[in-house]
Amino acid sequence: DGGITQSPKYLFRKEGQNVTLSCEQNLNHDAMYWYRQDPGQGLRLIYYSQIVNDFQKGDIAEGYSVSREKKESFPLTVTSAQKNPTAFYLCASSSIRGRGAEAFFGQGTRLTVV
Amino acid sequence: AQKITQTQPGMFVQEKEAVTLDCTYDTSDPSYGLFWYKQPSSGEMIFLIYQGSYDQQNATEGRYSLNFQKARKSANLVISASQLGDSAMYFCAMREDETGTALIFGKGTTLSVSS
Repeated sequence: DGGITQSPKYLFRKEGQNVTLSCEQNLNHDAMYWYRQDPGQGLRLIYYSQIVNDFQKGDIAEGYSVSREKKESFPLTVTSAQKNPTAFYLCASSSIRGRGAEAFFGQGTRLTVV
Repeated sequence: AQKITQTQPGMFVQEKEAVTLDCTYDTSDPSYGLFWYKQPSSGEMIFLIYQGSYDQQNATEGRYSLNFQKARKSANLVISASQLGDSAMYFCAMREDETGTALIFGKGTTLSVSS
């Protein structure tokens, strides 16, 4: 079945550690996105990519890094520079053709700093 | 400035009643799309309905309809005949076609449906 797979579902990070969240899609979508969601809040854009080997910062990119070496994959690294990383992280993808192209989301990764 | 504003943090409705969730947006882009997503407690994001800025008719998808008032820059979601399973967080989002492909989300409205 086509879809977006995020792993792991739950992740625990010690202070000062970098961690990488995985996101893979088999929908043949050009665009991929990472959003952060805090309790009771909306989704805030961290990074997005419209094509392989290219990506743009979103509203809250500080302390995060991404790569887009393959069309199917868009991993997010939460670095030690991110001071408050505990949140729910959602990966999404969409076609960039057609105004009505909705974004499809993964199941999310819940990151907790311990 | 907020591009998507959802002013109702929480809404309560009885089963079988209709409910309207408010959304206003701000853009100077003449071409844009408006989306509504549902997020149950499991955290997944479920796409509900889409409205394009040039669409003449209000979008409908089953029990969901979008009350699009372009001059007022509002895109309210109407859920008819509410069901217990509709209890969730609802997000309004916008994509500005000329400036990028990323969806911009509002802060959401929590809908609680009671029997």
